[in-house]
Amino acid sequence: DQQVKQNSPSLSVQEGRISILNCDYTNSMFDYFLWYKKYPAEGPTFLISISSIKDKNEDGRFTVFLNKSAKHLSLHIVPSQPGDSAVYFCAAPLPQSNTGKLIFGQGTTLQVKP
Amino acid sequence: ETGVTQSPTHLIKTRGQQVTLRCSSQSGHNTVSWYQQALGQGPQFIFQYYREEENGRGNFPPRFSGLQFPNYSSELNVNALELDDSALYLCASSLGGTGSATNEKLFFGSGTQLSVL
Repeated sequence: DQQVKQNSPSLSVQEGRISILNCDYTNSMFDYFLWYKKYPAEGPTFLISISSIKDKNEDGRFTVFLNKSAKHLSLHIVPSQPGDSAVYFCAAPLPQSNTGKLIFGQGTTLQVKP
Repeated sequence: ETGVTQSPTHLIKTRGQQVTLRCSSQSGHNTVSWYQQALGQGPQFIFQYYREEENGRGNFPPRFSGLQFPNYSSELNVNALELDDSALYLCASSLGGTGSATNEKLFFGSGTQLSVL
């Protein structure tokens, strides 16, 4: 059972434009979400997070939106830069668990073209 | 500050063999989590160790086992390897046991790529 889903395996955008990465979840017990970025031959690194008490969180060029009724979140990158090319994972902590136990989506590979 | 290091970086084994993967946690971190990332998939939680005790386990069979040592480094052992065990194995460290611990403070190593032939 894939509780966190990223249905778009890949996305290609032009430098300077907006990148929108989507994520859906099925477990209504999830109350916190994170986005990780992964470059080849490196481990995932934390990018941005959002609590279910919010519907938006912004950090520089990165904004995450949460729609609880639709069980959907999205990551917006504006403006996109070639260095943003990477695999992006959304993730949620296992309900009632402590740090480090995350359920990840399948990932979306973002390519930003110069 | 030393980051999370994993060894080896690549490994080739044959079906039925046993393998041990190693992870040194980031300085000051007492919790290690292990993940399996199959090709084209996201990382899947295997188990977590906190202060040398297993602290939660994902949906993996008992032939996946682990250890954590007093210096908080960790090993992942897989017995009776199967072809489907071919994957990238990621280790992540964090500082657990405090009220302020959050998943943002999870630091991943670069992983061990295991191929089972």
